Amino acid sequence: NAGVTQTPKFQVLKTGQSMTLQCAQDMNHEYMSWYRQDPGMGLRLIHYSVGAGITDQGEVPNGYNVSRSTTEDFPLRLLSAAPSQTSVYFCASSEFLYGEQFFGPGTRLTVL
Amino acid sequence: GEDVEQSLFLSVREGDSSVINCTYTDSSSTYLYWYKQEPGAGLQLLTYIFSNMDMKQDQRLTVLLNKKDKHLSLRIADTQTGDSAIYFCAETSGSSNTGKLIFGQGTTLQVKP
Repeated sequence: NAGVTQTPKFQVLKTGQSMTLQCAQDMNHEYMSWYRQDPGMGLRLIHYSVGAGITDQGEVPNGYNVSRSTTEDFPLRLLSAAPSQTSVYFCASSEFLYGEQFFGPGTRLTVL
Repeated sequence: GEDVEQSLFLSVREGDSSVINCTYTDSSSTYLYWYKQEPGAGLQLLTYIFSNMDMKQDQRLTVLLNKKDKHLSLRIADTQTGDSAIYFCAETSGSSNTGKLIFGQGTTLQVKP
């Protein structure tokens, strides 16, 4: 099992550009989430999904879109990047609602 | 709203015990977790405790939960240099049907040889 994989590892964008952060898991987990990590602020939930076709907003959803067309994939889209979106982004998945969340290695995004 | 607070930094000597503290506000917290993040890596679950437990021990790790004071601690016995990392406390609420985690800011543990 590869676990949770994320691509790319690093990305630099200019303000206004769009991009998609990819996340995939091969553990057949129903629950998937996107977090951003900023210094001194811990991790904050952006969007989450409780199964294919079902997504919902987390704590800081503005500026991000998600979709969940398959159990395995949960991409995060930035439609028009802003410097405030400079952060490290983590995708996570879990088998059960309150089960252990498995995290990907993260994507470090810089928006200039 | 829900909030989880941790001190930001702890420095100990190798072989000493480390105690990392966490407070939370959500009285309906069901599960409380400790995650470890090594430099440049994602988070890894260390241990967790159900809200109806007071203590959980797992090898060198001891988790204590004071539900009345909404205080959680992680004790690492015989701390090693490999324990140097950021430790995150997180909780999830039984009143939520999403299982979403609320994280603290993270405590950076520095272990000096």
